[in-house]
Amino acid sequence: QPVLTQPPSSSASPGESARLTCTLPSNINVGSYNIYWYQQKPGSPPKYLLFYYSDSDKGLGSGVPSRFSGSKDASANTGILLISGLQSEDEADYYCMVWPSNAPVFGGGTKLTVL
Amino acid sequence: QVTLRESGPALVKPTQTLTLTCSFSGFSLSTTGMCVTWVRQPPGKALEWLAVIDWDDDKYYSTSLRTRLTISKDTSKNQVVLTITNMDPVDTATYYCARVYRFGAIDYWGQGTLVTVPS
Repeated sequence: QPVLTQPPSSSASPGESARLTCTLPSNINVGSYNIYWYQQKPGSPPKYLLFYYSDSDKGLGSGVPSRFSGSKDASANTGILLISGLQSEDEADYYCMVWPSNAPVFGGGTKLTVL
Repeated sequence: QVTLRESGPALVKPTQTLTLTCSFSGFSLSTTGMCVTWVRQPPGKALEWLAVIDWDDDKYYSTSLRTRLTISKDTSKNQVVLTITNMDPVDTATYYCARVYRFGAIDYWGQGTLVTVPS
């Protein structure tokens, strides 16, 4: 059972924005950790997208377009991946990850469908 | 250019020990902050973290699999080895090795190797 909770699926149309969430358990405070996001397409390894800690401490992976961004909702103890200007190539599984200790934990993944 | 490649048997019988080797280039595990980690993914399921070894030879393991896992490195060969004892059909998965810097982003991944344990 994954430690981080992600909705199994999400969908949006090309050109729209997709907001994917990653809810941390109550014993892991989202405000204290970097949230990492990965994209995985069928038959391929995960690709590192970005990390988000705060608006002043964040970063995109190499070659990742600025359409991808992160944020947090502290009230919901949740990390958020926002994909703007959706393209058909964004259809994939998305995973979040946190290092609460020297052992990372993953979410169960969200399958994003671009309609 | 950072690359990683996993190698090992595609088929392992129940109760046997699996040995996987990660061969990498483009970085050194003797560099402060560098780590190599193993992650697996059963068919159609989510990513599951297994183990990590760092530049100082510190090793950390998944709590649920700790008793079955051993990770080691050969810095001179640019290789990391993961062994999993007492393999079971539920261990059928694609096994990935990947680079981590300072216990942060897992930024470079191998292509993965599918290991099947028949029932």
